[in-house]
Amino acid sequence: AQSVTQLGSHVSVSEGALVLLRCNYSSSVPPYLFWYVQYPNQGLQLLLKYTSAATLVKGINGFEAEFKKSETSFHLTKPSAHMRDAAEYFCAVTYSGGGADGLTFGKGTHLIIQP
Amino acid sequence: KAGVTQTPRYLIKTRGQQVTLSCSPISGHRSVSWYQQTPGQGLQFLFEYFSETQRNKGNFPGRFSGRQFSNSRSEMNVSTLELGDSALYLCASSFSGQHNEQFFGPGTRLTVL
Repeated sequence: AQSVTQLGSHVSVSEGALVLLRCNYSSSVPPYLFWYVQYPNQGLQLLLKYTSAATLVKGINGFEAEFKKSETSFHLTKPSAHMRDAAEYFCAVTYSGGGADGLTFGKGTHLIIQP
Repeated sequence: KAGVTQTPRYLIKTRGQQVTLSCSPISGHRSVSWYQQTPGQGLQFLFEYFSETQRNKGNFPGRFSGRQFSNSRSEMNVSTLELGDSALYLCASSFSGQHNEQFFGPGTRLTVL
């Protein structure tokens, strides 16, 4: 079965600082990996996805993530944090067949931006 | 184009009642998935429908059921509500499945008293 672990339920950074949100996955077959963002009282919005093309994936709002198979990781980064980046971030995994696990999400990381 | 819409946005029910939630996907999307979001368990996959057929199902009891209509609109039903069913229920649509980008609706907030 597939699973996702997000290290740190809360991450606090200063405005302008580097954002690093960690995600490790387990999957018995090549995975599809996603990062979603959820703003208060809203649904989820896709930031970026990995689908076995380039290992460095660029997304919206200046975010990017690097797929590292040897480390089973898909960490999300942004060079300079903005106040508007404050939100909940979810890493998710699935594979082409979907299967009974569907899209499996991590527990989420709440990103706090300090002025 | 219009996004995913969910109705109602808020719902209050009492234990033992049943509830039906509705989801209208983005035009042209044939896959609709449902998720339950709670503070304790996070986001959990309920089921996915594709072209009116349930394609995948998560680990939820039989009280949770769904269906999809020929126009891809989907409904989710929960019978014999329990306090623990209080959650945000999110619907997501995609063109062909969960390995593609899913577009999420704003959710239905269900409170069971």
